[in-house]
Amino acid sequence: GDSVTQMEGPVTLSEEAFLTINCTYTATGYPSLFWYVQYPGEGLQLLLKATKADDKGSNKGFEATYRKETTSFHLEKGSVQVSDSAVYFCALRGDAGNMLTFGGGTRLMVKP
Amino acid sequence: NAGVTQTPKFQVLKTGQSMTLQCAQDMNHEYMSWYRQDPGMGLRLIHYSVGAGITDQGEVPNGYNVSRSTTEDFPLRLLSAAPSQTSVYFCASSYSNTPDGYTFGSGTRLTVV
Repeated sequence: GDSVTQMEGPVTLSEEAFLTINCTYTATGYPSLFWYVQYPGEGLQLLLKATKADDKGSNKGFEATYRKETTSFHLEKGSVQVSDSAVYFCALRGDAGNMLTFGGGTRLMVKP
Repeated sequence: NAGVTQTPKFQVLKTGQSMTLQCAQDMNHEYMSWYRQDPGMGLRLIHYSVGAGITDQGEVPNGYNVSRSTTEDFPLRLLSAAPSQTSVYFCASSYSNTPDGYTFGSGTRLTVV
């Protein structure tokens, strides 16, 4: 079945540092890939998405590129802020189109 | 639009009690699903529905029932609560036949004592 693996946290960075959170997936066909963000005490919000190979999703300074050859969708941001502190989930929606499969989540803590 | 609305936000149950977590969406989404979130385990799918009258099991369905009598509502029933069901529960919805992601509710934090 489909699966998503993302780096374990927590990831602790200083403000303005560069962020990378790794995500790799296993799926048949051509899944859609997503990053969700969960701020403390809240539900999940869609951060960005990519629906086909080589697509780059971007939002709020975050970017991720759909790499089919390496089955990866790594999240990056050039300069993090304290307000980016949250849990980040990588997810995929397979060819069947029904459900999301999530990675385990990565907690990011940004210190001033 | 209200999006996906979950009630209650918090609930404490005693072992053996039953209850229903409510979920409603006003976006005319065909697909709805329930996830539970446990520390270090991400989100796991409990049950899902691809339309009114159609439901199916996800990864961790035991101890939960669902029904989908209308497009808007997808309640999750705990039949006899157990401490292992202490978790945060999220309802989510989506259009069918789309590569888009799901819209999530704000969650219900359930504690079973």
